[in-house]
Amino acid sequence: DIQMTQSPSSLSASVGDRVTITCRASQSISNYLNWYQQKPGKAPKLLIYAASTLQSGVPSRFSGSGSGTDFSLTISSLQPEDFASYYCQQTYSTLTWTFGQGTKVEIK
Amino acid sequence: EVQLLESGGALVQPGGSLRLSCAASGFTFRSYAMSWVRQAPGKGLEWVSAISSSGDSTYYADSVRGRFTISRDNSKKTLYLQMNSLRAEDTAVYYCAKDRGGDDFYADDYWGQGTLVTVSS
Repeated sequence: DIQMTQSPSSLSASVGDRVTITCRASQSISNYLNWYQQKPGKAPKLLIYAASTLQSGVPSRFSGSGSGTDFSLTISSLQPEDFASYYCQQTYSTLTWTFGQGTKVEIK
Repeated sequence: EVQLLESGGALVQPGGSLRLSCAASGFTFRSYAMSWVRQAPGKGLEWVSAISSSGDSTYYADSVRGRFTISRDNSKKTLYLQMNSLRAEDTAVYYCAKDRGGDDFYADDYWGQGTLVTVSS
């Protein structure tokens, strides 16, 4: 199975900061990589699919990049509503899809 | 408006069975693949299972393969997850989710509110 490893597991940042979360796959997954945001007690929300395509309605301060095994999610200017957990997910495998362990973004 | 409404979550004893349902509305259900994703208390997301739009193809996480069965009834616009031989580690909120569709890049663009399954004696 393809393993997804996110880093860091958590981070503290201030409003206005530029934040980058990374996700590494245990083997090449081309660009079959999604990013989700989840707030406490809520369902996840799709932010980015195909590694870099912004989902409709998602603010442009979110961006994704990468291909192969290394990917990143960047928030260019952190807003109060962005404090949440973020998960990457690979959908390359034809049999199983896997999430990273998550990154919690907290207020500094 | 797309809506996904899960039901069927409950407290069940280890070794027991449960069937979850997800009623869909606001989109052409038969045209989209669907998934189940779970989240144990205080833990991260775990993909559980997916099914093609027709129901012909199904996919499972290793942790549930052989115990869980995903299915759908396109005439009723409902997704199901039959869970057998339940274990304590299956305790989680179970979400159903809809694929965005349109190409090979599978991603869940709409999610239900989740239903809680607790496996305990």
